[in-house]
Amino acid sequence: QVQLQESGPGLVKPSETLSLTCTVSSGSISSFYWSWIRQPPGKGLEWIGHIYYSGSTNYNPSLKGRVTISVDTSKNQFSLNLSSVTAADTAVYYCARVLGKVAGNPRFDSWGQGTLVTVSS
Amino acid sequence: SYELTQPPSVSVSPGQTASITCSGDKLGDKYACWYQQKPGQSPVLVIFQNSKRPSGIPERFSGSNSGNTATLTISGTQALDEADYYCQAWDSSNVVFGGGTKLTVL
Repeated sequence: QVQLQESGPGLVKPSETLSLTCTVSSGSISSFYWSWIRQPPGKGLEWIGHIYYSGSTNYNPSLKGRVTISVDTSKNQFSLNLSSVTAADTAVYYCARVLGKVAGNPRFDSWGQGTLVTVSS
Repeated sequence: SYELTQPPSVSVSPGQTASITCSGDKLGDKYACWYQQKPGQSPVLVIFQNSKRPSGIPERFSGSNSGNTATLTISGTQALDEADYYCQAWDSSNVVFGGGTKLTVL
């Protein structure tokens, strides 16, 4: 069973860039799509974007311009950068695997445990 | 942008059937997924491709999707099914989640 683990600072200052990494273990990052999803405290899930192992990306239009997702297949990791953060970006950030996208029946089948990132000075 | 609408809360008695709806324009033309999230935990996929259950998900979880509405049905609801449930669909290459439904078993 593939395992995902988010890592990165738990506190980011306003206007700075939030950076997180997701490490994939017990499985290869190749041949799959990988995604970032966030959840503000007490609120619902919001998709941030996803990346194919080859590097092609798709981002939530509401965050476009601030989001960059990259992949490092040699380290079995993918990363999230979110720039110009505000308090509204405070959330638990999850990384997840997308299974079945190429086959036409995509779903998020494996999730990391999530990491809380607080934006505050 | 595409939107999915869920009722904020649903209540059910133990042993009864719970139904949670998810509405979106021509949602039946897309595949719907459902996720269960318990407090302090990551979401867990319970239904994908409208009605398929991943390995390990109990048979009491089922799904359907037609017209503008997808429905998650939990038969013989148990106390451990109390959780937040999120529907999700793909609109072109973008992902959309519903706002979530809190299922209370009382």
